[in-house]
Amino acid sequence: GNSVTQMEGPVTLSEEAFLTINCTYTATGYPSLFWYVQYPGEGLQLLLKATKADDKGSNKGFEATYRKETTSFHLEKGSVQVSDSAVYFCALSATGGFKTIFGAGTRLFVKA
Amino acid sequence: EADIYQTPRYLVIGTGKKITLECSQTMGHDKMYWYQQDPGMELHLIHYSYGVNSTEKGDLSSESTVSRIRTEHFPLTLESARPSHTSQYLCASTPQGISYNEQFFGPGTRLTVL
Repeated sequence: GNSVTQMEGPVTLSEEAFLTINCTYTATGYPSLFWYVQYPGEGLQLLLKATKADDKGSNKGFEATYRKETTSFHLEKGSVQVSDSAVYFCALSATGGFKTIFGAGTRLFVKA
Repeated sequence: EADIYQTPRYLVIGTGKKITLECSQTMGHDKMYWYQQDPGMELHLIHYSYGVNSTEKGDLSSESTVSRIRTEHFPLTLESARPSHTSQYLCASTPQGISYNEQFFGPGTRLTVL
């Protein structure tokens, strides 16, 4: 079945450091891939998405590239801020599918 | 901006009480979902709906029930709450007509059963 594996946290960085959160997936066909973010006390919100191989999703300085050859969708940001402290979820959805498969989440702490 | 609402945001109740968690969306989305989020953050799908009068059980067995009488409304009910039901409950919806199933989430209800 489809699954998502993401880097365990917590990840602790200093402000302006480079961020990478690894995500790999298992799926048949060509799923769509997502990163969602959850700030304290809130629900999840979509951060970025990619719907086909080699697509790069980007938003708020975050980027992720859909790599079919390595079945990966790693999240990166060049310079994190304290306000980026949150939980990040990698997710996939099969084309035409109904359910979204979420990774276990990675908590990020950014220190000033 | 997504418009999906959950009430109450926080609820503390005693064992054995019947509770209903409300979820409403004003976007006209057909697909709606309930997730249970454990303290380790992982999300578990407990119910979903394709549209009015459609409800399905999710991947995680739950003692809760849901109904979908109106497109915009997808309440979740626990007939007799127990401490094991203590969790964060997240409601979500997805617009029809797109292939990639982007989900819009409400703010969540944090339930504590004493």
